[in-house]
Amino acid sequence: QQQVKQSPQSLIVQKGGIPIINCAYENTAFDYFPWYQQFPGKGPALLIAIRPDVSEKKEGRFTISFNKSAKQFSLHIMDSQPGDSATYFCAGRSGSARQLTFGSGTQLTVLP
Amino acid sequence: DADVTQTPRNRITKTGKRIMLECSQTKGHDRMYWYRQDPGLGLRLIYYSFDVKDINKGEISDGYSVSRQAQAKFSLSLESAIPNQTALYFCATQAANTGELFFGEGSRLTVL
Repeated sequence: QQQVKQSPQSLIVQKGGIPIINCAYENTAFDYFPWYQQFPGKGPALLIAIRPDVSEKKEGRFTISFNKSAKQFSLHIMDSQPGDSATYFCAGRSGSARQLTFGSGTQLTVLP
Repeated sequence: DADVTQTPRNRITKTGKRIMLECSQTKGHDRMYWYRQDPGLGLRLIYYSFDVKDINKGEISDGYSVSRQAQAKFSLSLESAIPNQTALYFCATQAANTGELFFGEGSRLTVL
């Protein structure tokens, strides 16, 4: 059972474009929604995260938009750069165990 | 030195062989995880451990076993490897206060 659905699977944009990655979740017990960034040959690393009582969070060029009623959230990358080319995973966290359920990942390519 | 170290980084083996992937950490975290990454499927949880005496199955534990030898060491074993276990495997630790996961650089396993 896939509790976090992520789209698109891959995305190609020109430098300066604004790629948007979308996620939808089913588990209403999720209380924290992080995004992880993974460069080739490396493990994923936390990029930015949001709690469901907030509709938007910005950190530098990265913004999470959160729609609790629709059970959807998205990552926007402003002024994207070739160095942003990576795989991005959304996730939801539930329960006191703080386990994460990951989406299927989006491979982003930013062309120079 | 990396905070989460996985060995080996790459391994090619044959069907039926026993394989062990090892993970060690210097972050001092009690919680450790093993994930499997496959294209289009994201990161799926195999096993997790909250301390040396606590081992729990994840969503895809069949065909795998783990051992938590010490707080800093968590190994994953495939008793009899099969080709559909060909994947990229990640070990991760988790900060108890924030829930953030810290991943190793991965172990790429190919089963022929």
